[in-house]
Amino acid sequence: DSGVTQTPKHLITATGQRVTLRCSPRSGDLSVYWYQQSLDQGLQFLIQYYNGEERAKGNILERFSAQQFPDLHSELNLSSLELGDSALYFCASSPPRTTEAFFGQGTRLTVV
Amino acid sequence: AQKVTQAQTEISVVEKEDVTLDCVYETRDTTYYLFWYKQPPSGELVFLIRRNSFDEQNEISGRYSWNFQKSTSSFNFTITASQVVDSAVYFCALSEQNRDDKIIFGKGTRLHILP
Repeated sequence: DSGVTQTPKHLITATGQRVTLRCSPRSGDLSVYWYQQSLDQGLQFLIQYYNGEERAKGNILERFSAQQFPDLHSELNLSSLELGDSALYFCASSPPRTTEAFFGQGTRLTVV
Repeated sequence: AQKVTQAQTEISVVEKEDVTLDCVYETRDTTYYLFWYKQPPSGELVFLIRRNSFDEQNEISGRYSWNFQKSTSSFNFTITASQVVDSAVYFCALSEQNRDDKIIFGKGTRLHILP
């Protein structure tokens, strides 16, 4: 158990819908990262937050957004969902001044 | 640009054989971190090792060992006396400390250990 909690574990939704994925980092970790893992694209970095502020942005679609709250948990919002958004979404957290990232179990999103 | 290449898409070996997973990286920074993660069939990502760019010492942890060579920009991972439980996808990754410290992953190597 990495200490990073992601909910829900599985999500099935229809095209055009909007979903929210939630991540609770390890206690004391200030950084939260979001990754998307699809079969053909591998692990793609989406976005990183550090202590509530956006720190780095990767290949995140405009239909996707994220935020980190004062209690340091983070949410990834996916809207206008398409079939191609079906993937495993990982959240990771890391302590201050280190990049040793610990990953949650992931949320498997299926868009039908 | 920041890039990680794992040229071996899939490898199959018989149990008890040694196997080396290759990783080549590209970075403009002098300060960076390299990682290996394991993703077993259950799907979670398990952290195996982190190595900073100033430490070229090889590391051994049980049956696992890592060979970091800056001259060839490689960070290879060897499993000695492989076991069926080692079957997984293994990812090499890179983080440039002087920039935004996001971790960029290679595409992974799927390792099959045959009984």
